[in-house]
Amino acid sequence: DAKTTQPTSMDCAEGRAANLPCNHSTISGNEYVYWYRQIHSQGPQYIIHGLKNNETNEMASLIITEDRKSSTLILPHATLRDTAVYYCIVRVGPKTSYDKVIFGPGTSLSVIP
Amino acid sequence: GAVVSQHPSRVICKSGTSVKIECRSLDFQATTMFWYRQFPKQSLMLMATSNEGSKATYEQGVEKDKFLINHASLTLSTLTVTSAHPEDSSFYICSARGQGDIQYFGAGTRLSVL
Repeated sequence: DAKTTQPTSMDCAEGRAANLPCNHSTISGNEYVYWYRQIHSQGPQYIIHGLKNNETNEMASLIITEDRKSSTLILPHATLRDTAVYYCIVRVGPKTSYDKVIFGPGTSLSVIP
Repeated sequence: GAVVSQHPSRVICKSGTSVKIECRSLDFQATTMFWYRQFPKQSLMLMATSNEGSKATYEQGVEKDKFLINHASLTLSTLTVTSAHPEDSSFYICSARGQGDIQYFGAGTRLSVL
């Protein structure tokens, strides 16, 4: 699986948009970008994923650059409950023998009142 | 949404005893489940892939005789930490592949070995 690079930590004011970048310059054509988050002492929570088109769901938006070498997770209106470690992961498409989710260090997002 | 239940949420045991952790997919079937371990202030580390009806696949450096995995049904995988020692104290998390091939995670089990 391709490696990802994320900032170690970020702050965001409550109510503002949180934009979390991820670099995955070695991503392959069949690898998806997934985002998870982990609130302290809990299991990771799935947020969103995409291949090459931008995606949006009730939690967040995922913007993938045209060359697919980087992406940005956007939390449109951050709340204190969004304080967590956010993981950007790239992996080969599902239902393959390589279907694993490997976690990097992630970005620790602190939402400030 | 898909729910993965993990039990117990917390366990304290004496050194030398064995501890079993259960991971259940409540509203979907999972032929493949995964087990992770997380030490304080570190990221999750994949330990093994649990396959229903067959042997688990362990990541490099993980002792298969120490961490026994059984995936007896499409909704249940168990991790048994055998002869636990204080260095096995950690946060253990399971996941299962659900609808849309998304992996869903349990809430984790905090193991403390005295």
